[in-house]
Amino acid sequence: EPEVTQTPSHQVTQMGQEVILRCVPISNHLYFYWYRQILGQKVEFLVSFYNNEISEKSEIFDDQFSVERPDGSNFTLKIRSTKLEDSAMYFCASMAGGNQPQHFGDGTRLSIL
Amino acid sequence: KQEVTQIPAALSVPEGENLVLNCSFTDSAIYNLQWFRQDPGKGLTSLLLIQSSQREQTSGRLNASLDKSSGRSTLYIAASQPGDSATYLCAVTNYGGSQGNLIFGKGTKLSVKP
Repeated sequence: EPEVTQTPSHQVTQMGQEVILRCVPISNHLYFYWYRQILGQKVEFLVSFYNNEISEKSEIFDDQFSVERPDGSNFTLKIRSTKLEDSAMYFCASMAGGNQPQHFGDGTRLSIL
Repeated sequence: KQEVTQIPAALSVPEGENLVLNCSFTDSAIYNLQWFRQDPGKGLTSLLLIQSSQREQTSGRLNASLDKSSGRSTLYIAASQPGDSATYLCAVTNYGGSQGNLIFGKGTKLSVKP
């Protein structure tokens, strides 16, 4: 069964450094998402992406965050200058079309030191 | 602002028992509701999606119901097995322009004892 893949599984970075989290969504899906889950808290929406542009973003997704779909298969989340509070599990998800289930990857655990 | 609540936060049952997990949401104007399973350190596995016009969905031993007007959904698990042990998450998509952005509850951690 097709699945969403995320790399790396774990990223450790010094505060202030840039990180790029990578995702390969399911190939025929049209909608792409990033969510995050701080340890012990709810999964929170960050950003949605459709037709090569951001369709919606949350208050969390400030100027330090950006997303790209550089080559029609990868979908990346960049954090320009990481803070301690960015430490979380980051999940990528994709969806085939409206009113379809979202499929999630296994996540990248981001640890900021 | 949509809020999703799941009760109980944790549940422990003996193997073979039937059980119900509860989810409530504050704004009934939803597009759909999705139930997920999350194993420790892993991603979310989609279990069932109920569209706003539907009352229930079934997959194997799982049955999810939706009462949109009262802002409630339940996930029924029949004949529970130790392999069902996981955290179960409920999430809704608000109606109108949100492109499917999911709003999650905090989950119910289920433990099924052999």
